[in-house]
Amino acid sequence: DVKVTQSSRYLVKRTGEKVFLECVQDMDHENMFWYRQDPGLGLRLIYFSYDVKMKEKGDIPEGYSVSREKKERFSLILESASTNQTSMYLCASSPTGLGTSQPQHFGDGTRLSIL
Amino acid sequence: QQQVKQSPQSLIVQKGGISIINCAYENTAFDYFPWYQQFPGKGPALLIAIRPDVSEKKEGRFTISFNKSAKQFSLHIMDSQPGDSATYFCAASLYGGSQGNLIFGKGTKLSVKP
Repeated sequence: DVKVTQSSRYLVKRTGEKVFLECVQDMDHENMFWYRQDPGLGLRLIYFSYDVKMKEKGDIPEGYSVSREKKERFSLILESASTNQTSMYLCASSPTGLGTSQPQHFGDGTRLSIL
Repeated sequence: QQQVKQSPQSLIVQKGGISIINCAYENTAFDYFPWYQQFPGKGPALLIAIRPDVSEKKEGRFTISFNKSAKQFSLHIMDSQPGDSATYFCAASLYGGSQGNLIFGKGTKLSVKP
């Protein structure tokens, strides 16, 4: 089974802090994703990466950055945390399909509170 | 054109009944339509998926119906059980478009009453 592991289930940080969320997958997937999930808004894509050291902006990248130094690890960085970044953060990974889209596999999320 | 519209937002069904969740899309180039199930405190888990070359896919009590001409697809849960109570997300993706990014619907919260 694919396993996507997010380092923290719950995290509380203060406004202005630099926050790191870590994600590791064990299936050698090329693609990795960061989403935030808010009630009534569904899942919104923040950033994704299709290879080591490669990154692409998603729909809501403002206030975030990412790092992918190794294939299995994808980090989300809140440069200066603000209260409107309080949310559930979900990491996902997927293989690159040969001509067709492939499913994404999710971690259990990090619930981040910014005080 | 990239949106996936999901309805209803919430659904209450009696045990043993049929739950139906609908999604509509605009982009005819989408080539993959998964449904995800999410329990409280957990990440979304792939439930069932369909590609546009078939009109229906069934896995146990879960069936996806796909109507290519209407650009709609739906999830049917037969003999709904309290354990099916969860939030369900439909999604669509386009191969080669941003490495197969999924476009998600906003979710449906299903409650199955005993």
